[in-house]
Amino acid sequence: EIVLTQSPGTLSSSPGERATLSCRASQSVTNNYLAWYQQKPGQAPKLLIYGASTRATGIPDRFSGSGSGTDFTLTISRLEPEDFAVYYCQQYVISPPIYTFGQGTKLEIK
Amino acid sequence: QVQLQESGPGLVKPSGTLSLTCAVSGGSVSSTTWWSWVRQPPGKGLEWIGEVYHSGTTNYSPSLMSRVTISVDTSKNQFSLNLNSVTAADTAVYYCARNGPAASVDCWGQGTLVTVSS
Repeated sequence: EIVLTQSPGTLSSSPGERATLSCRASQSVTNNYLAWYQQKPGQAPKLLIYGASTRATGIPDRFSGSGSGTDFTLTISRLEPEDFAVYYCQQYVISPPIYTFGQGTKLEIK
Repeated sequence: QVQLQESGPGLVKPSGTLSLTCAVSGGSVSSTTWWSWVRQPPGKGLEWIGEVYHSGTTNYSPSLMSRVTISVDTSKNQFSLNLNSVTAADTAVYYCARNGPAASVDCWGQGTLVTVSS
């Protein structure tokens, strides 16, 4: 089973700053089946990035994803007040089919 | 635009069965995609439970496989989750969801809190 480890656990930043979140897999992720989600308190997760680097519909271009193999990054170029939330990465293994989430990174206002 | 809505009891007794249904609106459960259940214990992270295709084919998380059944009802445009032999560790917000491109999850219900307690 692939384990996803996100770092840091908590990131304190200010609006306007750049934020870089990391997701490391214990084994290589097949076909770059790596997605990123944003979750705000009391809400369902929201898909931001799929295929490691493709923005989902309606996601602002300040969000970008990169990486391959075992190391992936979500970058928020200039933080807006509404970006402070918890972010999860997720990967998929084809055989047997299993979805796995990282433990999350909390992005908080400094 | 597809919308998902979970429904079911908010309180289940230990050793009982948790049963939830997800109603699909604005789209068809018979479309060429899989439908998933994901849960989140209070204050913790996300855990994938399993998925179902409109044909009835299912895949489950290995850690829950012995206790979980997911089914689909195309006539009612909904899919369901049954989790038996529940304990307090199964207390969580349960989300139904639609699988999206590149093995992502692109549409989520609002979630429903299920508490396991006597």
